[in-house]
Amino acid sequence: KNQVEQSPQSLIILEGKNCTLQCNYTVSPFSNLRWYKQDTGRGPVSLTIMTFSENTKSNGRYTATLDADTKQSSLHITASQLSDSASYICVVSGGYQKVTFGIGTKLQVIP
Amino acid sequence: ETGVTQSPTHLIKTRGQQVTLRCSSQSGHNTVSWYQQALGQGPQFIFQYYREEENGRGNFPPRFSGLQFPNYSSELNVNALELDDSALYLCASSFMVTGELFFGEGSRLTVL
Repeated sequence: KNQVEQSPQSLIILEGKNCTLQCNYTVSPFSNLRWYKQDTGRGPVSLTIMTFSENTKSNGRYTATLDADTKQSSLHITASQLSDSASYICVVSGGYQKVTFGIGTKLQVIP
Repeated sequence: ETGVTQSPTHLIKTRGQQVTLRCSSQSGHNTVSWYQQALGQGPQFIFQYYREEENGRGNFPPRFSGLQFPNYSSELNVNALELDDSALYLCASSFMVTGELFFGEGSRLTVL
């Protein structure tokens, strides 16, 4: 069964600190992996998309890594800001129609 | 802004009623997918429409149905509403069935 597991489920950090979110998946075959940011009650917004051959991709203060051999990805947030408070969802595509969502990591950045 | 718009943003229904949710896809996108997101959970795939035809369906009963129109906008219809249907319903458009998903802001449905 295709699964995407994220950890931690929730995280509280101080403004200005860094943090790393984890995503493990068992989706096969693998097409790509995306990280989305979802503010409460709003639609997810794409942060990064990575294919099999990519192992690092950055988008501003967000850096995603992918290890396709161990089927693990991480999202590193540098110098966190209050506006980073949101849920971060890992989404793995296994090709045609096979899109599996994690339940997300809820991040809270406090002053 | 993703260019995907959904309406209504919020609505309240009672058990047994029917609801229609609407989605306008981003310009140039020919595929629309619908997701149900319960509180504290990740989105669950309902179905996908590609060029006006259903192109895949998740584990949802037949009372969840949809349409896609020639302009690629889409509707999600839910009949005989149940309390557990209360959720955020997300629409995502993409160019082709495996393209990157661009989400709307969602329609928050509450069933009383």
